[in-house]
Amino acid sequence: QKEVEQNSGPLSVPEGAIASLNCTYSDRVSQSFFWYRQYSGKSPELIMSIYSNGDKEDGRFTAQLNKASQYVSLLIRDSQPSDSATYLCAVSGGSYIPTFGRGTSLIVHP
Amino acid sequence: DAGVTQSPTHLIKTRGQQVTLRCSPKSGHDTVSWYQQALGQGPQFIFQYYEEEERQRGNFPDRFSGHQFPNYSSELNVNALLLGDSALYLCASSPTDFMNTEAFFGQGTRLTVV
Repeated sequence: QKEVEQNSGPLSVPEGAIASLNCTYSDRVSQSFFWYRQYSGKSPELIMSIYSNGDKEDGRFTAQLNKASQYVSLLIRDSQPSDSATYLCAVSGGSYIPTFGRGTSLIVHP
Repeated sequence: DAGVTQSPTHLIKTRGQQVTLRCSPKSGHDTVSWYQQALGQGPQFIFQYYEEEERQRGNFPDRFSGHQFPNYSSELNVNALLLGDSALYLCASSPTDFMNTEAFFGQGTRLTVV
């Protein structure tokens, strides 16, 4: 059974701070890793994808992947209240079908 | 460029009834996947369609069935609805490149079974 684990939170950070979201996965042959943002009552929106070890930056977002530790994270710099949402980690491997975690609720307070 | 579109957006059905949900993929995408998302949970994979055939299936009963049309649009059918089928149903489309599994979601259909 492939598992993707996330702390459900909520993670509360002040505006302007760095939010750090973490995800671990069980399938060692996983190849593709994704972060989705989901606002309440809305559908998930893809914000980052990462395929190789190391960091990938896109604006205020940085995804970090460590395949040896089976760990992927998302850093949000200069957090804004509009970043308040649930962040879903998704992992895919040989089947190419992403498996999703339960998501971490992020609250950015002014 | 239209993204993934789903219809209807909301639906209320009675236990035991049947429901059909519809999805049109993003332009240039020919693979459609369906997910069920219960409140407070991540999306759970139901099945994926490619070239009008079910290519992969998740751990869902046969009450859940689907179809893909030549224009790549897709339908999800659920028979004999149970209260536990109440959820947000998400359609995701992706391109033919099987190594590229970036999935783009539609706005979802909120199904309530009473």
